[in-house]
Amino acid sequence: LAKTTQPISMDSYEGQEVNITCSHNNIATNDYITWYQQFPSQGPRFIIQGYKTKVTNEVASLFIPADRKSSTLSLPRVSLSDTAVYYCLVGDLYNFNKFYFGSGTKLNVKP
Amino acid sequence: DVKVTQSSRYLVKRTGEKVFLECVQDMDHENMFWYRQDPGLGLRLIYFSYDVKMKEKGDIPEGYSVSREKKERFSLILESASTNQTSMYLCASSTRQGGNGNTIYFGEGSWLTVV
Repeated sequence: LAKTTQPISMDSYEGQEVNITCSHNNIATNDYITWYQQFPSQGPRFIIQGYKTKVTNEVASLFIPADRKSSTLSLPRVSLSDTAVYYCLVGDLYNFNKFYFGSGTKLNVKP
Repeated sequence: DVKVTQSSRYLVKRTGEKVFLECVQDMDHENMFWYRQDPGLGLRLIYFSYDVKMKEKGDIPEGYSVSREKKERFSLILESASTNQTSMYLCASSTRQGGNGNTIYFGEGSWLTVV
């Protein structure tokens, strides 16, 4: 199981682009990288998922280098409502029971 | 949209009481999960189920049991609640099909306080 390492917290201002990097040195061939967002008193919700290179959706972009040992979640032009905890998870998509959530990165967006 | 519904958002129970936390999903998912979340400890898996009447222990099953009599419903049971089980409990579900785009869907959480 590939454990992940991400910063405990980050600060940003409204309108800025935020990049949160996750390290996963032991990623396996079949593993995907998935990011979740969690607001206080709510369950985590899916943001984006990728295997390699770059993935973009209406919410975020995910950059994955060729060696796949790290990944970067990019949030364009954050707003106050993006203040949340962001989790990086690595694993194959058949065994969610083995996903390790850790403490995530607490993003604090200031006005 | 996938919906995972947890029956109670906030509960207060007394030490020694039997507690049931109910969860229902509407996407015909094979897998269902129960986590607890505590400050500084992230999400920890209590039990999961990959089919009706099937269950597997997660990382912290002690003091808990589960029941899955129907595919859409997964119950977490605290046989005799204790104060160290005060926590937020999260139910989740996923398909077993794997592949790109597969993910795990969470409910809103149930805040349990044991006094």
